[in-house]
Amino acid sequence: GAVVSQHPSRVICKSGTSVKIECRSLDFQATTMFWYRQFPKQSLMLMATSNEGSKATYEQGVEKDKFLINHASLTLSTLTVTSAHPEDSSFYICSAPDRGHGYTFGSGTRLTVV
Amino acid sequence: AQSVTQPDIHITVSEGASLELRCNYSYGATPYLFWYVQSPGQGLQLLLKYFSGDTLVQGIKGFEAEFKRSQSSFNLRKPSVHWSDAAEYFCAVGAMDTGRRALTFGSGTRLQVQP
Repeated sequence: GAVVSQHPSRVICKSGTSVKIECRSLDFQATTMFWYRQFPKQSLMLMATSNEGSKATYEQGVEKDKFLINHASLTLSTLTVTSAHPEDSSFYICSAPDRGHGYTFGSGTRLTVV
Repeated sequence: AQSVTQPDIHITVSEGASLELRCNYSYGATPYLFWYVQSPGQGLQLLLKYFSGDTLVQGIKGFEAEFKRSQSSFNLRKPSVHWSDAAEYFCAVGAMDTGRRALTFGSGTRLQVQP
């Protein structure tokens, strides 16, 4: 079945640095990738939608200059958290529509900013 | 806009007892409906999904869900809960129209299983 590989699974970074999260579709072409954020004990909230070869669409309240999304190929989408602060600490998950009507999720990235 | 309501934030059941987790959705057309399970610190695992056809959907781990259009509901059920079922459960709705939009998730229901 369709697999999305997400890396890293955990990352700890210092405040003010940048962190890149990668999501790769391993056996299918992901023209679209959705990026979600999940705070502890809360649900998944859509941050942005990336489409291969075009600019990402950000949800209201999400800073596009802080959360840089690149979808340069049909198999790779990246989310870079720039100048990270402790309030950016969260669980980030990517998801792509699969060949059927479903969605394939990455395994998530736990970001801790200290 | 589509939305999902999971009225129960936290449910506790005894091992072996039956389970029903509620989900109500709001969407103007025929929705795609999903149930996911998430263990602490882990990603999402798909339990089952509904697109069309038979309104009673069978999933993995002995779960099933029934789509009731008249009630805008998609409740998840399991006849006998196991201790390993303790986790967070999310109902989600997707749009069945042109283009693939992101899923909208409910707030989740945390299931605790007592021995």
